[in-house]
Amino acid sequence: QKEVEQDPGPLSVPEGAIVSLNCTYSNSAFQYFMWYRQYSRKGPELLMYTYSSGNKEDGRFTAQVDKSSKYISLFIRDSQPSDSATYLCASGGGGNKLTFGTGTQLKVEL
Amino acid sequence: NAGVTQTPKFRILKIGQSMTLQCTQDMNHNYMYWYRQDPGMGLKLIYYSVGAGITDKGEVPNGYNVSRSTTEDFPLRLELAAPSQTSVYFCASSQDRGTEAFFGQGTRLTVV
Repeated sequence: QKEVEQDPGPLSVPEGAIVSLNCTYSNSAFQYFMWYRQYSRKGPELLMYTYSSGNKEDGRFTAQVDKSSKYISLFIRDSQPSDSATYLCASGGGGNKLTFGTGTQLKVEL
Repeated sequence: NAGVTQTPKFRILKIGQSMTLQCTQDMNHNYMYWYRQDPGMGLKLIYYSVGAGITDKGEVPNGYNVSRSTTEDFPLRLELAAPSQTSVYFCASSQDRGTEAFFGQGTRLTVV
């Protein structure tokens, strides 16, 4: 079992839709949770960073961590074509290195 | 505000050739990493370093070598290039183990 699991997609949504991206993880010692956005032929860019459980909001993006169910979510409101990218979740901490999911490819269509 | 800088951006190697991928960071981070990314396979950790003079293997270290003589620099060496090393390579750095990592823009390597 991979330590961080993520549905690869692709996920296609119309412009303006609410997007929900999800990951599960298996290591209960993980303390830090991240979402990265990666545009085609570019490096991953840190989008959201959360410590422990709870929600974090930044503009149209909300990251949610539920440590009891080992579930990580990223919500994108009012999705735009410029949000089309691959989104990678990552978890680490508690003495563990950062572990990445394989990424979910998102396409927001006009 | 450079962050993590990788060179070169692109390279084509012939089988058996060697090369060094350069990586430098200006954030004074302790940890540095090398990943490779193949289509649909996610990021695989090749080597990492917890500070100058200290390196350790990741998931896929075979065929690669690293060194860390300074905090800023973490070069990745391919000694005998093989077609299986065709990939996109990313260098990253973080302040602590398991915390947020910052990535370079990648080196796209093709071995023919």
